[in-house]
Amino acid sequence: AQSVAQPEDQVNVAEGNPLTVKCTYSVSGNPYLFWYVQYPNRGLQFLLKYITGDNLVKGSYGFEAEFNKSQTSFHLKKPSALVSDSALYFCAVREGARDSNYQLIWGAGTKLIIKP
Amino acid sequence: ETGVTQTPRHLVMGMTNKKSLKCEQHLGHNAMYWYKQSAKKPLELMFVYNFKEQTENNSVPSRFSPECPNSSHLFLHLHTLQPEDSALYLCASSQDKDRGTEAFFGQGTRLTVV
Repeated sequence: AQSVAQPEDQVNVAEGNPLTVKCTYSVSGNPYLFWYVQYPNRGLQFLLKYITGDNLVKGSYGFEAEFNKSQTSFHLKKPSALVSDSALYFCAVREGARDSNYQLIWGAGTKLIIKP
Repeated sequence: ETGVTQTPRHLVMGMTNKKSLKCEQHLGHNAMYWYKQSAKKPLELMFVYNFKEQTENNSVPSRFSPECPNSSHLFLHLHTLQPEDSALYLCASSQDKDRGTEAFFGQGTRLTVV
């Protein structure tokens, strides 16, 4: 069965430090992977995606994520955190095979708190 | 703003009421979605429309009734809801249902059933 795990409910980082939000997945075929961010009282905003190609994907607001096939992970990273990065982050996966269920499978979310 | 607008932003309704949520997208997308977001749970996909045709109904109770009159508008009609239906309801759209296409979300309607 397809699944996504975000093992940390909350991540605390000091401003200026690097941050990592973890995501692991399970699909039977090649994955399409996505990260979204949700600010308070807002809908979700797309950050970045991995479909194929370079394992390191760069996205909005200075975020990047690395696809690791052997570890089935797609961790979100940023070299230097800002207080404004504080939000809820969601990882999602979709199986890329042509005849597979195309629905996105979502993680439960990780709350990122950046302290000044 | 993402180009997806949801109204109302907040809604309080009794269990015997009938209300509707509205979603409008200005992005020229062909696929639209309703999601339910509850605290500390993954997003739950409720309905999918592609080119105005409903393609997915994820075992959603009949007290939720979607309507898609055209590719820019999506409604969610609510009647005889239960308190456990209180949640944030998110509308989203994407260019199509292609597996590599990202979705754009509205700000959501915070629904409280009393």
